[in-house]
Amino acid sequence: GAGVSQSPRYKVAKRGQDVALRCDPISGHVSLFWYQQALGQGPEFLTYFQNEAQLDKSGLPSDRFFAERPEGSVSTLKIQRTQQEDSAVYLCASSLGWQGNSPLHFGNGTRLTVT
Amino acid sequence: AQSVTQPDIHITVSEGASLELRCNYSYGATPYLFWYVQSPGQGLQLLLKYFSGDTLVQGIKGFEAEFKRSQSSFNLRKPSVHWSDAAEYFCAAKNYGGSQGNLIFGKGTKLSVKP
Repeated sequence: GAGVSQSPRYKVAKRGQDVALRCDPISGHVSLFWYQQALGQGPEFLTYFQNEAQLDKSGLPSDRFFAERPEGSVSTLKIQRTQQEDSAVYLCASSLGWQGNSPLHFGNGTRLTVT
Repeated sequence: AQSVTQPDIHITVSEGASLELRCNYSYGATPYLFWYVQSPGQGLQLLLKYFSGDTLVQGIKGFEAEFKRSQSSFNLRKPSVHWSDAAEYFCAAKNYGGSQGNLIFGKGTKLSVKP
């Protein structure tokens, strides 16, 4: 497809389970971002990749959160030992360039509910 | 610290009326500025962006925004609102120049449209 694709669309996990969220960026896009959007809030930055290099992970809330993009295309956000406060929509975005003025294209997100 | 503020959490306007959504930013230097729209269950769609130059920028769906340096504002406007404009609107900013920093979002303004 032409847009950013995220899967699964919805994920329900029991507290303590590990989850993996997938992002397929637009083909050829260099930059990839993960955001967390809690209910009623704006998206908050988690991490940023330029190709396969993770250049900024300052937004990851704890060491239970891990992201990778091993071949510079598809990315996976993994959350270990999920907690209820991890419930949110996780948005992936990609952009063609690395410059600050390169606009982001967002996927529809994965809604994670931790019970 | 860098921040983006959207003072209005929820706005209701009548269909056909004009709209203005407020956004203020706090950055050391003028950042790149963006407005995104998010419909329920969807990702964010870019409405318009400001990088430099003309302070009145036109976007998609009949939206425009005006950058005012003196007020650190980037308000979104539309002359005549349609029922399909009901959604949540996010203002966002990113550091100017250099490599790509993270995009900081406001908390959003939910727009309801009365028939």
